[in-house]
Amino acid sequence: EDQVTQSPEALRLQEGESSSLNCSYTVSGLRGLFWYRQDPGKGPEFLFTLYSAGEEKEKERLKATLTKKESFLHITAPKPEDSATYLCAGLRGTYKYIFGTGTRLKVLA
Amino acid sequence: DGGITQSPKYLFRKEGQNVTLSCEQNLNHDAMYWYRQDPGQGLRLIYYSQIVNDFQKGDIAEGYSVSREKKESFPLTVTSAQKNPTAFYLCASSPSHSGRGGGELFFGEGSRLTVL
Repeated sequence: EDQVTQSPEALRLQEGESSSLNCSYTVSGLRGLFWYRQDPGKGPEFLFTLYSAGEEKEKERLKATLTKKESFLHITAPKPEDSATYLCAGLRGTYKYIFGTGTRLKVLA
Repeated sequence: DGGITQSPKYLFRKEGQNVTLSCEQNLNHDAMYWYRQDPGQGLRLIYYSQIVNDFQKGDIAEGYSVSREKKESFPLTVTSAQKNPTAFYLCASSPSHSGRGGGELFFGEGSRLTVL
């Protein structure tokens, strides 16, 4: 069965304290691994797509990496405005996106 | 600006009533989706449509119905047959799938439905 598991469920960081969020996946014939940011009461906002193991993408303080079993979202020197829930999703076929339950990140000033 | 518009943002329903959630996109995307989000669970697919006048059931379609009469619009009706409809509903769209596979999803702001 296809599954995406995110850890930790929640993470509290001090401003400037770098860390990583994990997304483990078992998705048959993975066509892409997606990262989203979701603020409370809002829809998810697209961050990155990774297609193959070894691929990395960066955007400001965020860097996403992909292996054959998991993906990491590295947050370097986070700021309070980075506080949000981060979702990852694996794509099987052309429409089947399997979402994890997310990591709630809180960055303290 | 291009994007996805969902309405209403908040909706209250009495038991036994049907309600319809609106989703409109001006991104010229072929594919549209409806997801349900509950606390502690990942987004679950209700229905999706890859082209006008065609749609398929997702993982939790029971108690829901959709239509796709126009490329821009994909309304979701929550019927009285849905036993636990209180949730946050998200509409999304994506460009045509080709080459390396499906593209990223673009989400609306969501509609929160509460059953009284």
